[in-house]
Amino acid sequence: YELTQPPSVSVSPGQTARITCFGDALPKEYVYWYQQKPGQAPVLVIYKDTERPSGIPERISGSTSGTTVTLTISGVQAEDEADYYCQSSDSSATYWVFGGGTKLTVL
Amino acid sequence: QVQLVQSGAEVRKPGASVKVSCKASGYTLTSFDMNWVRQASGQGLEWMGWLHTNTGQTGYTQKFQGRVTMTRDTSTSTAYLELRSLTSEDTAVYYCARGAAATGTGGFDLWGQGTLVTVSS
Repeated sequence: YELTQPPSVSVSPGQTARITCFGDALPKEYVYWYQQKPGQAPVLVIYKDTERPSGIPERISGSTSGTTVTLTISGVQAEDEADYYCQSSDSSATYWVFGGGTKLTVL
Repeated sequence: QVQLVQSGAEVRKPGASVKVSCKASGYTLTSFDMNWVRQASGQGLEWMGWLHTNTGQTGYTQKFQGRVTMTRDTSTSTAYLELRSLTSEDTAVYYCARGAAATGTGGFDLWGQGTLVTVSS
């Protein structure tokens, strides 16, 4: 199945960025979010819709509402400029799909 | 230090095969699944398949069925991705990524640095 993200989001420093991910199966399956900076491997920033791994700043959060999940970055900083990908799986958590990615630009 | 270290860049001609390695250190390879993800230049992430590192069981996305093999060598804590019948469309950075189900986190919590595979005549 597919996960749909907006191609780009732009915000000024200090503002709040919201990146959405839409999928028909999302009410039943968890979503994971990754941050990828140029030339680097992706980093897991949100797991199981809303949980933050250790070391990820509290200003990065996740929420869910039906078929749409949202990654929110509060008080955006220049270092947050990156591509963000949502990811989900089938019910067995062995087959995975990524959203197309959203480029976050800090103006 | 917990990490995944991948083999270096490869160049292949169309029709050839490539085998990329991913060596796990700082943890036991067989305690976690291994996934392979690729990314063409300027494009998004594409999940290719999954390896149960304990049993050797695999699952591949339909796009790569018949052309990909994922294996592991437990004695060296190394996972492998082999892709055959390469075309220019396979030019991409290939990542190994540890499945984190065993930690309760889920998703992919540890990634290799990536291996660039270039397919060109």
